[in-house]
Amino acid sequence: DAGITQSPRHKVTETGTPVTLRCHQTENHRYMYWYRQDPGHGLRLIHYSYGVKDTDKGEVSDGYSVSRSKTEDFLLTLESATSSQTSVYFCAISHGGAGGETQYFGPGTRLLVL
Amino acid sequence: TQLLEQSPQFLSIQEGENLTVYCNSSSVFSSLQWYRQEPGEGPVLLVTVVTGGEVKKLKRLTFQFGDARKDSSLHITAAQPGDTGLYLCAGCFTGNQFYFGTGTSLTVIP
Repeated sequence: DAGITQSPRHKVTETGTPVTLRCHQTENHRYMYWYRQDPGHGLRLIHYSYGVKDTDKGEVSDGYSVSRSKTEDFLLTLESATSSQTSVYFCAISHGGAGGETQYFGPGTRLLVL
Repeated sequence: TQLLEQSPQFLSIQEGENLTVYCNSSSVFSSLQWYRQEPGEGPVLLVTVVTGGEVKKLKRLTFQFGDARKDSSLHITAAQPGDTGLYLCAGCFTGNQFYFGTGTSLTVIP
C-alpha cells in the first residue's frame, strides 16, 4: 500500500458544474499525476506536478486545472463539467528520477457527468 | 495518436496455455513498465525494464525490452485464472512523464 487516497471515490454531477477531485499521499513523493481511464484509450495523462506549485500539462489537459499547495495534496478541478469528462480518474505518485521510477496508483474516482 | 500500441487488445485462453502480449512504439523510451490492473482498482506495477535487450522474470512472467528500447513483450507460461486482468505497458521519457498503452484484457478460463 503506497499511501495514496482519492476523494471522493464516486461522484455524480450535472453538466456545467465545477468538480474538484483530491489526491492525498503520505509518502512525501515529489511527483504526482492525474490520469483518466476510458475504454479503448488506456490511461491518459491530464496534468502532473513535480513539486509544490510546479505543474505541467499532459496530453488531455483541456477543461482541467490542477493545484498543489502542499507536497501531500494534488487537486484536479473540472472547471465546467461536460459529459465527455465522464471517466475513471486515477492519481499516481512517483519518487522521480532519470527514468525507471515506479508509479503508485490510487484506487480511482468514478465520475459521472449527466 | 497512441504513442504505445498493445496487442492483442483482448485475449481469452484456457488454463495452462502460454501467451505473449506485445507493446510497440516508434519512440525510444528511457524505461518501460508493465502493470496489471484488476476491476475497480488502480494499476499495480509488475516490472520496470531500463536496458535495451533486458529480460526480467517474475515467476511465470517473462518481460523483455527491445534492443532499441522501442518495444517490449510480456510472456506468461502456463497461465492460471489468477492471471486474469488488464495488462498495461507504460513508457517513460526523461522528465518523468509516462505514456500508457491501450491495454490487453486477459481472461484465463479454468
